[in-house]
Amino acid sequence: GAGVSQSPRYKVAKRGQDVALRCDPISGHVSLFWYQQALGQGPEFLTYFQNEAQLDKSGLPSDRFFAERPEGSVSTLKIQRTQQEDSAVYLCASSLAVGRSRETQYFGPGTRLLVL
Amino acid sequence: GESVGLHLPTLSVQEGDNSIINCAYSNSASDYFIWYKQESGKGPQFIIDIRSNMDKRQGQRVTVLLNKTVKHLSLQIAATQPGDSAVYFCAEMGGGSEKLVFGKGTKLTVNP
Repeated sequence: GAGVSQSPRYKVAKRGQDVALRCDPISGHVSLFWYQQALGQGPEFLTYFQNEAQLDKSGLPSDRFFAERPEGSVSTLKIQRTQQEDSAVYLCASSLAVGRSRETQYFGPGTRLLVL
Repeated sequence: GESVGLHLPTLSVQEGDNSIINCAYSNSASDYFIWYKQESGKGPQFIIDIRSNMDKRQGQRVTVLLNKTVKHLSLQIAATQPGDSAVYFCAEMGGGSEKLVFGKGTKLTVNP
């Protein structure tokens, strides 16, 4: 059984460049989450989907960050005009949770983004 | 505001000893708690979870204790092994939100 997969695993971008990070959740998982993890810190919530609906985007740090999940499966996190402070590990997680049921979130390996 | 923190940033133990990692949380509306293990270069790996209607839950070599009175969570690892060396995060969920709020992590080092 495949877990959550993310690509690319590493991305180096020049400041001002746009990047797109992909997440493939566990098959059948309804909920999908994006987190940002700075070096030496715990993950911080960015946004959350239930199927294709983006139900919470309160953690997105600016309007340069955009996420989508058009068919309720694969998700893409896009960062426009990258800045050095965007350098971090971007983690994707998925769960079976629907609504407010409490289910474990399973994480992918992350994409390490370095903006030069 | 919401916050989840850890009392000890680093913990070093001898192989075979028991380890205890502590976590404090401040959101009284939290009703679900998870411990994750994160090895270098990898994503957080689920260890064990507990809901707020419980005060103890056991897994294989791990036990989580929840004290809602003082808003405290702990992870106990029995017979710690070198493979347990990693950063451990507690995370909480609640208050009508599905997002996890993580603490800063405790680095556990197991000496052979």
